[in-house]
Amino acid sequence: AQSVTQPDIHITVSEGASLELRCNYSYGATPYLFWYVQSPGQGLQLLLKYFSGDTLVQGIKGFEAEFKRSQSSFNLRKPSVHWSDAAEFFCAVGKANTGGFKTIFGAGTRLFVKA
Amino acid sequence: EAGVVQSPRYKIIEKKQPVAFWCNPISGHNTLYWYRQNLGQGPELLIRYENEEAVDDSQLPKDRFSAERLKGVDSTLKIQPAELGDSAVYLCASSSDKGASAETQYFGPGTRLLVL
Repeated sequence: AQSVTQPDIHITVSEGASLELRCNYSYGATPYLFWYVQSPGQGLQLLLKYFSGDTLVQGIKGFEAEFKRSQSSFNLRKPSVHWSDAAEFFCAVGKANTGGFKTIFGAGTRLFVKA
Repeated sequence: EAGVVQSPRYKIIEKKQPVAFWCNPISGHNTLYWYRQNLGQGPELLIRYENEEAVDDSQLPKDRFSAERLKGVDSTLKIQPAELGDSAVYLCASSSDKGASAETQYFGPGTRLLVL
């Protein structure tokens, strides 16, 4: 069965510091991979996605993620965090099957940014 | 372009009462999803529609939950009767069935339900 693990429940970084959020997935084939961000009281917004091709994916708001098949990982990175990046981040894996496309979300990592 | 619209944004009810949530997807999106997000968790799919047809409702607790998507546009999710454990955020999302966009879901702001 598919699963998504985000090992860090929360992370605190200083403004201007680099960020890496971890995501590991379990899936039998090459999955579709996503990172979403959720600000307080808001729905989820897609940051980036990986379907195939270049394993380093660029997203919105300066975020990028790298797909590493050997490690079953899809970690999210940002070189310099801004205070406005504080939010909850969800990694997700999806697959297409006869019933349509199904997405499984991780439990999320909450990012705190300190001045 | 308007995003996914949900109402109400917040709802407080007593247990055993009924409650309904409404969702208007992005115009032209044929696929509509309802998710439940418990505190500290990621969204979990309740039901997915392709136009008017519910193609995946395997995670919908059918004893108390029901959903409909008449005319393949707006959708309503109902709980009757509500239980304390139903307190959560109910998210609606939609996606297009056109090519690479089919896998990208656009989420509404959610309805936060508190059952007392």
